[in-house]
Amino acid sequence: ILNVEQSPQSLHVQEGDSTNFTCSFPSSNFYALHWYRWETAKSPEALFVMTLNGDEKKKGRISATLNTKEGYSYLYIKGSQPEDSATYLCAFTGNQFYFGTGTSLTVIP
Amino acid sequence: EAQVTQNPRYLITVTGKKLTVTCSQNMNHEYMSWYRQDPGLGLRQIYYSMNVEVTDKGDVPEGYKVSRKEKRNFPLILESPSPNQTSLYFCASSLSGQVTEAFFGQGTRLTVV
Repeated sequence: ILNVEQSPQSLHVQEGDSTNFTCSFPSSNFYALHWYRWETAKSPEALFVMTLNGDEKKKGRISATLNTKEGYSYLYIKGSQPEDSATYLCAFTGNQFYFGTGTSLTVIP
Repeated sequence: EAQVTQNPRYLITVTGKKLTVTCSQNMNHEYMSWYRQDPGLGLRQIYYSMNVEVTDKGDVPEGYKVSRKEKRNFPLILESPSPNQTSLYFCASSLSGQVTEAFFGQGTRLTVV
């Protein structure tokens, strides 16, 4: 069982603040690093899939970077809004998917 | 509409009574998988399938069976459910395995008493 760690476990920010989370994963047997957004009572939805060292992806105010050599990825949210409140999951894939336990973000209006 | 459909959404059953949770996707995806979500543990993969008639164990396969006789369907079978299988279950599919995004079903809340 591979260890995928996310930090922080939870985060409360004010509306308009920018924030970032970390996902750490094994640097061997790497296929891809995924980020998902999971709202309460819904299903996880994909944000990004990154496969190459140095990859950077962006979707609106959310962006992500990947460092496969040192085994980490960052997710950034610029100008947080209340609708960004959710749990953000990362998943490392080798032969199978390994999910972290997520970062729970609460954006306070 | 492209989707992954799980049924049932909620199920309460008794120990030892065989049950099946169905999963179907309409996106012609190669890869399908089952996860369970338990507090503090994150999503853990139970079984996955790279293609029809090909299935592999994930991290927590004990007590579960799966089959992939058709590309679109990937049912999860609990032959003799036990209370420690009480959990939230998700089915997911992706176009070509681990390097493409996963699409998740709505989830099945299972309680075994």
